[in-house]
Amino acid sequence: QKEVEQNSGPLSVPEGAIASLNCTYSDRGSQSFFWYRQYSGKSPELIMSIYSNGDKEDGRFTAQLNKASQYVSLLIRDSQPSDSATYLCAVPNQAGTALIFGKGTTLSVSS
Amino acid sequence: DGGITQSPKYLFRKEGQNVTLSCEQNLNHDAMYWYRQDPGQGLRLIYYSQIVNDFQKGDIAEGYSVSREKKESFPLTVTSAQKNPTAFYLCASSTRQTPYSNQPQHFGDGTRLSIL
Repeated sequence: QKEVEQNSGPLSVPEGAIASLNCTYSDRGSQSFFWYRQYSGKSPELIMSIYSNGDKEDGRFTAQLNKASQYVSLLIRDSQPSDSATYLCAVPNQAGTALIFGKGTTLSVSS
Repeated sequence: DGGITQSPKYLFRKEGQNVTLSCEQNLNHDAMYWYRQDPGQGLRLIYYSQIVNDFQKGDIAEGYSVSREKKESFPLTVTSAQKNPTAFYLCASSTRQTPYSNQPQHFGDGTRLSIL
């Protein structure tokens, strides 16, 4: 059974700082990784997909994948109070037919 | 606008009652999924379907049932056998997944189910 681990937090950063969120996974064969943002009481929203080693940037968000160490990170630059949410990491299941989600890291950005 | 519609937004179940949660998508996605989320917890997979008339159990299927008679629709029934149904239920869809091509899932707004 694949596992996806995230530090539950809360992770607290001041406005304008860089927030770093980490996720480790158990299956070395995983090929795809997804980051979702979930505001309190709302459904998850896809913010980043990453499929290969290295960095992928999209606006203030950067996803970093290191397959050798089996971790994927999400960096949020110039953090804003509106970034305060729970961030979920997801990887495909063994059969590649569904996603397994971590429990999420709660981020709090203070103004 | 394309999207996933879940209804109702809030649902209350009496003891011994079956209730059905609706999920409809107009994204032309082949695959659909049901997840359950408890407070402070991640998403746990209940059932998923890759094509019409076929579906598979997820990690916590006991006490739930589904059908997939149309590509657009994937209703979830919470039966009386599910003794702790209070949770946030999320429906998602995606293009068809394979072991070599994993696509992200997109979620509806969810249904909150509580016991009366």
